Amino acid sequence: GESVGLHLPTLSVQEGDNSIINCAYSNSASDYFIWYKQESGKGPQFIIDIRSNMDKRQGQRVTVLLNKTVKHLSLQIAATQPGDSAVYFCAESSGTYKYIFGTGTRLKVLA
Amino acid sequence: GAGVSQSPRYKVAKRGQDVALRCDPISGHVSLFWYQQALGQGPEFLTYFQNEAQLDKSGLPSDRFFAERPEGSVSTLKIQRTQQEDSAVYLCASSLSAGELFFGEGSRLTVL
Repeated sequence: GESVGLHLPTLSVQEGDNSIINCAYSNSASDYFIWYKQESGKGPQFIIDIRSNMDKRQGQRVTVLLNKTVKHLSLQIAATQPGDSAVYFCAESSGTYKYIFGTGTRLKVLA
Repeated sequence: GAGVSQSPRYKVAKRGQDVALRCDPISGHVSLFWYQQALGQGPEFLTYFQNEAQLDKSGLPSDRFFAERPEGSVSTLKIQRTQQEDSAVYLCASSLSAGELFFGEGSRLTVL
């Protein structure tokens, strides 16, 4: 079946550097994508979303890029801070209420 | 309340016991979801409610799992005759309609 996966299970970055978290999806019918942040012991928290009619969307310190040709999604975090340490999930939907989550990437911010 | 509230936060059950997990969604949110999250994995869809109607229960692993939302607000996920493989975090999420899901902090179930 369709799946959403991530290339890197763990990413370590220096505080202040930019982080890039990648995600590959396999369902070409997916038209809505979300990035979630999950801190230890908490539920996933919405970060940013993007629809398939866009290639890029920016938020506060975060940017999501969508490449539909290769079915790839990335989350860029500018000036990474210790509070950004968490597990990040991408999720996709094909026009329905059902979201499929990837396995997750753990981001570690080094002081 | 301000966010999605789940209880209990932690539950330890002996194999074979029944458990009930409660979710209190954000007031006014029509849609309610249950997800199961195994350790080190992403959340996996269990079931979906629109108001009191359970529109999709395709993700429930077995007939030991049952969910209800009788008045279109609070929901309960019940697991009968728990097994060790049921150990996971059970996440509840709500939303106004399609779009951003607001998750609770989850109920961590450990079956011994």
